[in-house]
Amino acid sequence: GESVGLHLPTLSVQEGDNSIINCAYSNSASDYFIWYKQESGKGPQFIIDIRSNMDKRQGQRVTVLLNKTVKHLSLQIAATQPGDSAVYFCAEIASNTDKLIFGTGTRLQVFP
Amino acid sequence: EPEVTQTPSHQVTQMGQEVILRCVPISNHLYFYWYRQILGQKVEFLVSFYNNEISEKSEIFDDQFSVERPDGSNFTLKIRSTKLEDSAMYFCASSELGVREDEQFFGPGTRLTVL
Repeated sequence: GESVGLHLPTLSVQEGDNSIINCAYSNSASDYFIWYKQESGKGPQFIIDIRSNMDKRQGQRVTVLLNKTVKHLSLQIAATQPGDSAVYFCAEIASNTDKLIFGTGTRLQVFP
Repeated sequence: EPEVTQTPSHQVTQMGQEVILRCVPISNHLYFYWYRQILGQKVEFLVSFYNNEISEKSEIFDDQFSVERPDGSNFTLKIRSTKLEDSAMYFCASSELGVREDEQFFGPGTRLTVL
């Protein structure tokens, strides 16, 4: 079946280092991808998105890379801060639907 | 800053009972969504709603589920006869435009516990 999954369930990084969170997706019909951050006790929060006609998009301290050849998505966080500690989800939308399909999540832990 | 609100924050119910989860989307938003997240698992799409009708629904959203926008501000999710496996966090979200044109804003969630 179609699915979105993550390679690393937990990622621990030192404050100030860069973080890379990965995501694999299996639906080649997906044309829009979003990264969400979810802090404890809160709903998902939009971080950054990318369309399938792009392979890179940058935001403030975050960069999303899309490799359609291997169906891989990554989120890079520069100079990771304690406030970045959360669970990060990738989500995909197929071209013929508006349903967001979420991945299983990666927990990012930032230590001093 | 406008935000999506949800009530109650925690709902405990007996199996077989009906529950209504309430959401107040951001006021100028036109697209509304419900998602659920079973503890420790990924967020799952339930339903999207636009122009007073369901746009899309998942296979989870069976006949036991319904949504309604009873007035200009509330958006509700009703589960007619709750099952143990309905226990989850339920998130409401809204957006001004469609999912590809605009960010979805999520509420803080309602934790539903079915006993």
